Amino acid sequence: EVQLVESGGDLVQPGGSLRLSCAASGFTVSTNYMTWVRQAPGEGLQWVSVIYSGGSTYYADSVKGRFTLSRDNSKNTLYLQMNSLRPEDTAVYYCAVDTAKYLAYWGQGTLVTVSS
Amino acid sequence: EIVMTQSPATLSVSPGERATLSCRASQSISSTLAWYQQKPGQAPRLLIYDASTRATGIPARFSGSGSGTEFTLTISSLQSEDFAVYYCQQYNDWLPITFGQGTRLEIK
Repeated sequence: EVQLVESGGDLVQPGGSLRLSCAASGFTVSTNYMTWVRQAPGEGLQWVSVIYSGGSTYYADSVKGRFTLSRDNSKNTLYLQMNSLRPEDTAVYYCAVDTAKYLAYWGQGTLVTVSS
Repeated sequence: EIVMTQSPATLSVSPGERATLSCRASQSISSTLAWYQQKPGQAPRLLIYDASTRATGIPARFSGSGSGTEFTLTISSLQSEDFAVYYCQQYNDWLPITFGQGTRLEIK
């Protein structure tokens, strides 16, 4: 059974940093595309970043240069390093298994709040 | 970037009745469209992909149709567990994938 468990969300001040984790089971992260999607409170879904099976990463313009997506194959875990956080980054962050088309499986999400 | 527009924003329907949700793309996306269901406090769940293919375990009362720029999600006989927010997502333009703003399906 595919399972994704996000963690690392917290309250952080503007300009601060946070690292989110997405621990996977039931499949291999390194042989799949993996995506992060976020959802601001009461809002819709916004694509954030993707890592391809070959290791290439891509980012939404709103986070480019501030967020870094990586993975640890030995731990079957995905990471999203978030720097220079802004209030508008406040959201629930979901990791998802990406079929290169649609998002087949989602984690339960982790809440990031950026506020002073 | 392809803009996805869903209508209506809120749809009120009685249990047992049919619900029809719409999604429009700002340019043709062929059949590269998925639908997701999100219940309060939960992650989205894949319902439909390639515009009309039900994902594993999705009941037959959910159906998708359309191609090009106009798409529809139909729920043939609403059950209590179907009241949720529904999102469409295009994957014709891969970076970025984009979502509609959602349709809230509420009990009438």
